[in-house]
Amino acid sequence: ETGVTQSPTHLIKTRGQQVTLRCSSQSGHNTVSWYQQALGQGPQFIFQYYREEENGRGNFPPRFSGLQFPNYSSELNVNALELDDSALYLCASSFIRGRMGEQFFGPGTRLTVL
Amino acid sequence: DAKTTQPNSMESNEEEPVHLPCNHSTISGTDYIHWYRQLPSQGPEYVIHGLTSNVNNRMASLAIAEDRKSSTLILHRATLRDAAVYYCIPRRDNQGGKLIFGQGTELSVKP
Repeated sequence: ETGVTQSPTHLIKTRGQQVTLRCSSQSGHNTVSWYQQALGQGPQFIFQYYREEENGRGNFPPRFSGLQFPNYSSELNVNALELDDSALYLCASSFIRGRMGEQFFGPGTRLTVL
Repeated sequence: DAKTTQPNSMESNEEEPVHLPCNHSTISGTDYIHWYRQLPSQGPEYVIHGLTSNVNNRMASLAIAEDRKSSTLILHRATLRDAAVYYCIPRRDNQGGKLIFGQGTELSVKP
């Protein structure tokens, strides 16, 4: 059983650009959540996808968007990058049968915005 | 969402027990208490969760106060690999994937 993987591991962009981060869920999982972790802070919930539909969103602007594909892989897209978007982006997969499930996190993508 | 208070940092010696406290005085009756930890340069990982009774698994034990306003994560014999940031997270059963992380407690383990 493979775990959650994310790509790329590191990325450098400039302000105003757009970025796409990718996540492959653990086999058998139907839900993926994305988190942003600034340096020295706990992860902050961005949004969750369940069966390809957004299923909850944190306090992030619409320029943060996502997709979940039929094979339960996922993308996080961020438009019009700002310096404050520099952070570690984590995805987590789980299997939800109407109740909470243990979250399995990937190692994250470190995004630097210059 | 219930707020949590945890010490910013704690130190332990290797092979000694560690008690990591968490206050969650605004917890609702249906919130489970989850603990996750984040090792350096890794994503968080699940440790344990419980509702009212104390819980044990291969990683740790969770002691929940009778009034549920606080809990303690117990590592019975700390190892160097247990050095991490530990997060206490109250979570509703129907909350799906959303985890609300606080600042957590940074645990350092001395050999």
